[in-house]
Amino acid sequence: GAGVSQSPSNKVTEKGKDVELRCDPISGHTALYWYRQRLGQGLEFLIYFQGNSAPDKSGLPSDRFSAERTGESVSTLTIQRTQQEDSAVYLCASSLFWGQLSYEQYFGPGTRLTVT
Amino acid sequence: QQQVKQSPQSLIVQKGGISIINCAYENTAFDYFPWYQQFPGKGPALLIAIRPDVSEKKEGRFTISFNKSAKQFSLHIMDSQPGDSATYFCAAPLGNTDKLIFGTGTRLQVFP
Repeated sequence: GAGVSQSPSNKVTEKGKDVELRCDPISGHTALYWYRQRLGQGLEFLIYFQGNSAPDKSGLPSDRFSAERTGESVSTLTIQRTQQEDSAVYLCASSLFWGQLSYEQYFGPGTRLTVT
Repeated sequence: QQQVKQSPQSLIVQKGGISIINCAYENTAFDYFPWYQQFPGKGPALLIAIRPDVSEKKEGRFTISFNKSAKQFSLHIMDSQPGDSATYFCAAPLGNTDKLIFGTGTRLQVFP
């Protein structure tokens, strides 16, 4: 079946502009995560959605970052007034959630954001 | 800030050799420890995971060894192949949540 998809695959933007990144999770996956990965670095947690619960925004680095999710489907990550330090690959992952826990996360290919 | 400490940062192995990557975690309420494999330009993909009612899990050439008392777990790649060259991430649940905290990654290079 289809995996996690993200768009665009690459985005080049000028400093100060807003960008919107999209994630389509695997159908039926109720949990959705956004991560940031700077070049050669590990995965930095940004935000977590689970069903109708309030999202866990504890990883968002500043109020320029926000994310929304429509039900259990598409999510968008918005970065306002982009800065050069926002340049990174933004990864989305989804997982099934059963009982009280979600486990295996399936990642999309990421969106490479370059702020010039 | 809870961390997962991963080592080494990079690893060079001859084809056929054994690659070993180690991770140490802090307190967690949930025993679930996955390893992810990431090739350049791709998202990470789940490689192998352990829910340690056992101390070891093996899938083909890949083995996770788990030491609960030491809060450590490791990935062993037997008979390493050039196609195994990738970055490997370990992860552990954060505190009493099921949210994963990832290690900083190990870049493995396997030379023929």
